[in-house]
Amino acid sequence: KAGVTQTPRYLIKTRGQQVTLSCSPISGHRSVSWYQQTPGQGLQFLFEYFSETQRNKGNFPGRFSGRQFSNSRSEMNVSTLELGDSALYLCASSLAGGSVNTEAFFGQGTRLTVV
Amino acid sequence: KNQVEQSPQSLIILEGKNCTLQCNYTVSPFSNLRWYKQDTGRGPVSLTIMTFSENTKSNGRYTATLDADTKQSSLHITASQLSDSASYICVVSGSTMFSGGYNKLIFGAGTRLAVHP
Repeated sequence: KAGVTQTPRYLIKTRGQQVTLSCSPISGHRSVSWYQQTPGQGLQFLFEYFSETQRNKGNFPGRFSGRQFSNSRSEMNVSTLELGDSALYLCASSLAGGSVNTEAFFGQGTRLTVV
Repeated sequence: KNQVEQSPQSLIILEGKNCTLQCNYTVSPFSNLRWYKQDTGRGPVSLTIMTFSENTKSNGRYTATLDADTKQSSLHITASQLSDSASYICVVSGSTMFSGGYNKLIFGAGTRLAVHP
């Protein structure tokens, strides 16, 4: 059974550009959550998608957006990149997300560097 | 405020020794508590998940305990190995009452463990 796949693994962008990251969840999982991880802040919740609908959102500016497709694959977009957006972006998939004790499986992450 | 605090921030131990990591939380209502291991530059991997009624759960050399009354959890690593060097993250899931209908995961900052030969 394939795990959570994130692409690309590494990315270098310039300030002001935009970027799109992709996450393919485990087959059968309908919930995808996105997280930003930086050395100083740890893991910060961005948003969660379930059945193509965003149902949870963290405290990030509107430059961070996402979507989920009918096959549960999800994309995250960051517009007008800032140096502070440099981080490891992780996505996690689970069967239902909101259910009690639902296991969340993380991908390897996308390392974004903004220069 | 819903928070998860972990201690120590970092820890160095010798190979073969045991260690215990701590996690205190103020998340309420409580749904479950998870421990993840994260190797540098990689995604977190689940070690254990415990509900309110569970006091202890083991996964190989990893044993997690939970005291829901004092809102404390610990992760004990027995006979440490070099491959145990990683960050260990405590994550608490709150129930539907505060998260607008769905569980939300609250992450601790993690404990960075270094196992030296």
